Amino acid sequence: GAGVSQSPSNKVTEKGKDVELRCDPISGHTALYWYRQRLGQGLEFLIYFQGNSAPDKSGLPSDRFSAERTGESVSTLTIQRTQQEDSAVYLCASRHGSGDEQFFGPGTRLTVL
Amino acid sequence: DAKTTQPTSMDCAEGRAANLPCNHSTISGNEYVYWYRQIHSQGPQYIIHGLKNNETNEMASLIITEDRKSSTLILPHATLRDTAVYYCIVRGSSNTGKLIFGQGTTLQVKP
Repeated sequence: GAGVSQSPSNKVTEKGKDVELRCDPISGHTALYWYRQRLGQGLEFLIYFQGNSAPDKSGLPSDRFSAERTGESVSTLTIQRTQQEDSAVYLCASRHGSGDEQFFGPGTRLTVL
Repeated sequence: DAKTTQPTSMDCAEGRAANLPCNHSTISGNEYVYWYRQIHSQGPQYIIHGLKNNETNEMASLIITEDRKSSTLILPHATLRDTAVYYCIVRGSSNTGKLIFGQGTTLQVKP
């Protein structure tokens, strides 16, 4: 079956531009997570969606970062006015409501010039 | 969430058992120990998790000490494809399931 997919796989942008990253979770998975991984570092939690509940936004680093998810489908992570320190791999994961395992996508590598 | 401490790197000979330690001395009674690994340029992959009993699945075994302050992930017969960064994570007590990743242990399996 299909796993978590993310697009684009790579994104190069100029400082100050807005970018939108997409995540398609595994069908039927109610929980969806976004993480960021800077070069040589572990993953940092950004945001969590569970069904129609209010998202846990506690990991978003600034108000330039936002994310949306409609129901239990696609999610988009938007970074406004990108900065060079936003350069990282952005990973999405989904989890079945009753499950323990998070399934990760391949990530989007964002480079801000 | 309880903090974990892992060695930065380890080597293992191909075909031998790889034993990866993790300290989590501040773990609380309702927190689970999770292990994920990340092969270069891929997203993390779930390996195993446990609360207090030892666990085994097709990938690995997890040994948790009786006081739960430390654990060991065992890959019984390491292969070159097991070369990866291994993360030991104590899952938060909230029901969000968000994972707090540390630096992990880079395991290099050598022929």
